[in-house]
Amino acid sequence: DSGVTQTPKHLITATGQRVTLRCSPRSGDLSVYWYQQSLDQGLQFLIQYYNGEERAKGNILERFSAQQFPDLHSELNLSSLELGDSALYFCASSFSGSRRTQYFGPGTRLTVL
Amino acid sequence: ELKVEQNPLFLSMQEGKNYTIYCNYSTTSDRLYWYRQDPGKSLESLFVLLSNGAVKQEGRLMASLDTKARLSTLHITAAVHDLSATYFCAVDHEGDGSARQLTFGSGTQLTVLP
Repeated sequence: DSGVTQTPKHLITATGQRVTLRCSPRSGDLSVYWYQQSLDQGLQFLIQYYNGEERAKGNILERFSAQQFPDLHSELNLSSLELGDSALYFCASSFSGSRRTQYFGPGTRLTVL
Repeated sequence: ELKVEQNPLFLSMQEGKNYTIYCNYSTTSDRLYWYRQDPGKSLESLFVLLSNGAVKQEGRLMASLDTKARLSTLHITAAVHDLSATYFCAVDHEGDGSARQLTFGSGTQLTVLP
């Protein structure tokens, strides 16, 4: 158990809908990272927040957005969902903004029907 | 664009045998991570390699980093069934906007057969 928690574990929704995934980092960690894992794209970095501020952006679609709240938990919002958005979404956390080991949460499996 | 290539992508090996997984990357980096993922589970950190020539060992796994060759290896000694999993390397590098990020390889799915 890494200490990173994610909810929900599974999410099934329809195309065109919007969902919110939630992540709580390990105690003391200031950075939160979001990743998408799918069979065709592999593990892709989406976005990073450090102490409430956006720090780095990866291959995140415009339909997706994230934020980190004052208590350091983070939410990833996915809107206008498409079939291709079905994937495992991981949150990871680390103590500092960079160059520290990232610890991964259990993931949220999103299925878009 | 940074490329991180692992090979092989699939590896079946018998218990007791040795094998090496390779991770090549296309940019300058002095920090590389190895993670393990069991089916349907999260990623578990195995090693962080911090400089050229770094070598880390834990049980039957040994990882090394050659930053000049842009190559890391994960060596498996006397494999056991419990090592069956997917192994990812991840390269720490400067992304767009100069913030650092990790780029993962495609993963090597290891199956250890009795």
